[in-house]
Amino acid sequence: DAGVTQSPTHLIKTRGQQVTLRCSPISGHKSVSWYQQVLGQGPQFIFQYYEKEERGRGNFPDRFSARQFPNYSSELNVNALLLGDSALYLCASSFRGPGDTQYFGPGTRLTVL
Amino acid sequence: GQQLNQSPQSMFIQEGEDVSMNCTSSSIFNTWLWYKQDPGEGPVLLIALYKAGELTSNGRLTAQFGITRKDSFLNISASIPSDVGIYFCAGRAGNTGKLIFGQGTTLQVKP
Repeated sequence: DAGVTQSPTHLIKTRGQQVTLRCSPISGHKSVSWYQQVLGQGPQFIFQYYEKEERGRGNFPDRFSARQFPNYSSELNVNALLLGDSALYLCASSFRGPGDTQYFGPGTRLTVL
Repeated sequence: GQQLNQSPQSMFIQEGEDVSMNCTSSSIFNTWLWYKQDPGEGPVLLIALYKAGELTSNGRLTAQFGITRKDSFLNISASIPSDVGIYFCAGRAGNTGKLIFGQGTTLQVKP
């Protein structure tokens, strides 16, 4: 079975631009979480969605938003990009609710110039 | 952002040696997870722990959920070159989806 897939793999943007990252969960999984991983650190929680509703939000500014679609795929949007937004953005899916084990995708590497 | 205290930060060992790393928190967790991340990849789940005192093995890997619910350790026995990577602990409180990660332990194995 296919794991969590994310697109694009790499992305280069300039300050002030907007970006949309996409995630497809493991087949049958209904929950998607997003994490930001800055080089040299562990992932930081951004959002979780379950059954198309937001179930958790981390300590990130309103420039970050997300949504989940009826097929359980998800998008993460970041507006007004800053240099500090450069990071690996990870998507994780879980089968049942928010407390279920999370399986990560390969990530999208975002570079902001 | 909030992170767990994971140690050591890095290890350089000889092939065949055993490895131990641990994670501590000031908060109580009801789930501890250990992940391994290779360069350019997402974290891969190694072991999940759900009960205080639980000791779980996965091949050469063994992890324990501390009795106080504020710590966990991971042991790797008889290390091999493919064990190279960054190991992360992660904890979860309540029934939320929010995982809090450690800073990672970078493991290098000399053949």
